[in-house]
Amino acid sequence: DAMVIQNPRYQVTQFGKPVTLSCSQTLNHNVMYWYQQKSSQAPKLLFHYYDKDFNNEADTPDNFQSRRPNTSFCFLDIRSPGLGDAAMYLCATSRTRGETQYFGPGTRLLVL
Amino acid sequence: AQTVTQSQPEMSVQEAETVTLGCTYDTSESDYYLFWYKQPPSRQMILVIRQEAYKQQNATENRFSVNFQKAAKSFSLKISDSQLGDAAMYFCAYRRGFRPNYGGATNKLIFGTGTLLAVQP
Repeated sequence: DAMVIQNPRYQVTQFGKPVTLSCSQTLNHNVMYWYQQKSSQAPKLLFHYYDKDFNNEADTPDNFQSRRPNTSFCFLDIRSPGLGDAAMYLCATSRTRGETQYFGPGTRLLVL
Repeated sequence: AQTVTQSQPEMSVQEAETVTLGCTYDTSESDYYLFWYKQPPSRQMILVIRQEAYKQQNATENRFSVNFQKAAKSFSLKISDSQLGDAAMYFCAYRRGFRPNYGGATNKLIFGTGTLLAVQP
């Protein structure tokens, strides 16, 4: 089945140690998104790629970066994780702009 | 700025009964979309139902239907014949309509804080 895959499902990192989360998709969608969902809160968009065009949300901290080396893969890099960055990170895709978004299972990040 | 409000953090329903989850939103846009997403425990978020603002007819998907009141900016989800597998967190979400010159803004889903639905056997 075509899908959105996130690895790993659980990630533990140390305070200040860079960490990378991975998302891949078999849907051949042009747009890929990263959302942050803290405990008991609504998911919040960090940024998205429309093809190779990167779109950062105004309130996304500089600590968060993203890479999209090809259509299928997108990475979320947290350069120096703080305790406040512990959250579920959701990857989503859509065929093109303005279309329905499909979510992956998420990666739960724990910062020690 | 657009906002989405779900005022019921938790709800409970008996199996086979009907439950309605509430959602209100605020926007000055006339072209937008509304969604209900379901997030089961430790599982991925899936789309339940979608409503285009320009459509007057309420969307339905099998046991799921919405009551879209555009003037009141209300978008509730009705689940009929509730099943144990319906137990999940339900998120209401808003997205503005697509225009080429909107750039990235048109892609942003704005979520409510969710309603945790329990289904009692």
